Amino acid sequence: AQSVAQPEDQVNVAEGNPLTVKCTYSVSGNPYLFWYVQYPNRGLQFLLKYITGDNLVKGSYGFEAEFNKSQTSFHLKKPSALVSDSALYFCAVRDMGGGSYIPTFGRGTSLIVHP
Amino acid sequence: DAGVIQSPRHEVTEMGQEVTLRCKPISGHDYLFWYRQTMMRGLELLIYFNNNVPIDDSGMPEDRFSAKMPNASFSTLKIQPSEPRDSAVYFCASSLSLGGQPQHFGDGTRLSIL
Repeated sequence: AQSVAQPEDQVNVAEGNPLTVKCTYSVSGNPYLFWYVQYPNRGLQFLLKYITGDNLVKGSYGFEAEFNKSQTSFHLKKPSALVSDSALYFCAVRDMGGGSYIPTFGRGTSLIVHP
Repeated sequence: DAGVIQSPRHEVTEMGQEVTLRCKPISGHDYLFWYRQTMMRGLELLIYFNNNVPIDDSGMPEDRFSAKMPNASFSTLKIQPSEPRDSAVYFCASSLSLGGQPQHFGDGTRLSIL
């Protein structure tokens, strides 16, 4: 079975500071991992994914995420936060070892960037 | 690329009425998904199609919900009769394939059942 957890409902950060949005997962095989962002009154937008290869994945809008197999984590990061980054962020996982063919989404983390 | 298009964007209706939500996926995408988003339950997968065929509808909450995909460019999600607890934002998404391909979401239909 596959599952994903976003342990923080909300993350607050000052503009210009680095940000981290946490994600941990559980799978029986190897994972496919995704990050999406949702702005108010909009659908989810794909940010980046990890399939295989380099553990540091770079995506849209200056975001990156680091795959850590030993800690079963895939935290989203950005070196310098912008007020416009304020949104809801979702992590998703699919277990390549079996189970569902459809990624499971986390509950989401609300990122608030203060001016 | 116009993206996934959903209509209507907002729907307000009285309980007991039939509600039909519409979705046009991205051309060439073989998979179509319907999700429901609420504060209490987060994002829930209701049903998904592959090449217009329903593959897994285990997320459909009740028999009041039904979904169809008559062709590759159109899908509907119908609720009949509607109830206040059906109030939510309903998203349609499409993807080229499963696995490593991301899903592309529409902007949703915000449904309010009075």
